[in-house]
Amino acid sequence: DAKTTQPNSMESNEEEPVHLPCNHSTISGTDYIHWYRQLPSQGPEYVIHGLTSNVNNRMASLAIAEDRKSSTLILHRATLRDAAVYYCILRRGTSGTYKYIFGTGTRLKVLA
Amino acid sequence: GAVVSQHPSWVICKSGTSVKIECRSLDFQATTMFWYRQFPKQSLMLMATSNEGSKATYEQGVEKDKFLINHASLTLSTLTVTSAHPEDSSFYICSARYGQGVNEQYFGPGTRLTVT
Repeated sequence: DAKTTQPNSMESNEEEPVHLPCNHSTISGTDYIHWYRQLPSQGPEYVIHGLTSNVNNRMASLAIAEDRKSSTLILHRATLRDAAVYYCILRRGTSGTYKYIFGTGTRLKVLA
Repeated sequence: GAVVSQHPSWVICKSGTSVKIECRSLDFQATTMFWYRQFPKQSLMLMATSNEGSKATYEQGVEKDKFLINHASLTLSTLTVTSAHPEDSSFYICSARYGQGVNEQYFGPGTRLTVT
């Protein structure tokens, strides 16, 4: 199974940008890169996803390396509510049969 | 929109008994539902994928006779942990998606199972 590698934890100051890295060197051409985050005792929440091009939405930006072996989730201004475990996930499989392969996640701590 | 609920949110049962966890998509029809297990301080591990009206597909190492999955309708899937043991204590999370080409999965809030 395709795996992702993330740092175990990161810290950021409130109101500052945060760059969360993810390595996925075994990614295949049809694997999508998804990011979810999880608060304690809750289910994961969708953040963003992409295939090859960089993506932006109201929550974050996703920067994908040209060789697709790594990506970075960018939170432009971290708030205390952004403190969570962030998972970089490869969506493997074809339409209708895909599944998520969760990485180990990065625990983000936001300092006031 | 796209809300997934689970019931119960937590349950305590005695060793040897069975417990059923429900997963419902509240405002959409889920063609596929997924069941995950998460141990403390660990990542989510996919247990099985279920499509409405067909048998679930279990991941390697997951006992299908122990973790019974039923996806009888487009809005409901159930996971039954049979003959539960303390090592089955975990956080069980379901997710659902609709359509064939949609990328997102919508996750439920999880069910914490404690087996005594």
